[in-house]
Amino acid sequence: AQKVTQAQTEISVVEKEDVTLDCVYETRDTTYYLFWYKQPPSGELVFLIRRNSFDEQNEISGRYSWNFQKSTSSFNFTITASQVVDSAVYFCALSEAGYNQGGKLIFGQGTELSVKP
Amino acid sequence: GAGVSQTPSNKVTEKGKYVELRCDPISGHTALYWYRQSLGQGPEFLIYFQGTGAADDSGLPNDRFFAVRPEGSVSTLKIQRTERGDSAVYLCASSLREGVSSYNEQFFGPGTRLTVL
Repeated sequence: AQKVTQAQTEISVVEKEDVTLDCVYETRDTTYYLFWYKQPPSGELVFLIRRNSFDEQNEISGRYSWNFQKSTSSFNFTITASQVVDSAVYFCALSEAGYNQGGKLIFGQGTELSVKP
Repeated sequence: GAGVSQTPSNKVTEKGKYVELRCDPISGHTALYWYRQSLGQGPEFLIYFQGTGAADDSGLPNDRFFAVRPEGSVSTLKIQRTERGDSAVYLCASSLREGVSSYNEQFFGPGTRLTVL
């Protein structure tokens, strides 16, 4: 069964703190993709990153970094030196890449990040 | 270029009524997805179109929900005999979807907030 769990419902930090958002997934497929999306108060989902199951290299993009570990089925997201504009709900998602899967996304429950000045 | 657009942005209806929600995908995108996001939850997959055909409708909750995409572009999600539990934000996404072995980023629209009184 496919499942994505984001155990942290809400996180509150003070500006410039580092923060890590956890994501644990379940899948029986050997080929799959993992995603992070940001949903600011305006409501529109913004794509942040996609990783495939064969690429466990960590990735850094500016203040954002992602740690993918297949051994623990985790795909954690770290924001370094957080800013008020980072305040949003962040979703981790899974898509299985098997034939005819269609690319539908299975989302976690989301983590609401509040960055206070 | 224009992103995914959805109309109306808000829809208030009474229990038992019929509603239609419209999605205009990004031009040239062949894949179109509908998701439903209840308050405090992550989006849940409803249905996926590849071209004009519904390739996967496994997420539709019951037979009151139906979606069409007659010309392979605009899609309409139709809900009959609405119930209070149908209240949610309905999100549409589109992607290029070049083939079953590849995966393309899904671009999301702003959503339609449906309230059933």
